[in-house]
Amino acid sequence: DGGITQSPKYLFRKEGQNVTLSCEQNLNHDAMYWYRQDPGQGLRLIYYSQIVNDFQKGDIAEGYSVSREKKESFPLTVTSAQKNPTAFYLCASSTGLMSSGNTIYFGEGSWLTVV
Amino acid sequence: AQTVTQSQPEMSVQEAETVTLSCTYDTSESDYYLFWYKQPPSRQMILVIRQEAYKQQNATENRFSVNFQKAAKSFSLKISDSQLGDAAMYFCAYTPYNNNDMRFGAGTRLTVKP
Repeated sequence: DGGITQSPKYLFRKEGQNVTLSCEQNLNHDAMYWYRQDPGQGLRLIYYSQIVNDFQKGDIAEGYSVSREKKESFPLTVTSAQKNPTAFYLCASSTGLMSSGNTIYFGEGSWLTVV
Repeated sequence: AQTVTQSQPEMSVQEAETVTLSCTYDTSESDYYLFWYKQPPSRQMILVIRQEAYKQQNATENRFSVNFQKAAKSFSLKISDSQLGDAAMYFCAYTPYNNNDMRFGAGTRLTVKP
């Protein structure tokens, strides 16, 4: 079945460590996105990518990094520079840019906890 | 900057009844899209309904409909014949035509009572 797969679903990180969240899609979508969700808040955009080898910062990119070497993959690295990384992370994709009215599809999310 | 406000942190409805969730947004753009997403306990975001700002007709998807008031910048979601499976967090979202940053409200938690 087509969809977006995020892994791991739960991840624990020690302070000072970098961790990478995986996001893979087999929908043949050009655009991919990473959002962060904190309790009681809506989603905030971290990074998005329109095509392979291209990505743009969202509102809260500091302390995060991404790569887009393949169309189907958009991994997110949470670096030690991110001071409050404990949150729920959602990956998403769309056939084109949201600004063109394309529907965005979400993965099931990954929980990251700093211990 | 565009912002989305959902003034109802929690709402409750009796099964088979109708409930309306409120959403207002702030923008200086004339062309944009509005969305309602459902997030069940599984946490996966599911598109409920979408509205193009240039369309005057309110969008409808089965039991879900919206009341889009462009001048008032209001975009409420009406759920008719509520079902137990409708229980979830509902997020209102906005994206302008010239920007790739979809803005989300803080969400409304809907409880459906049997």
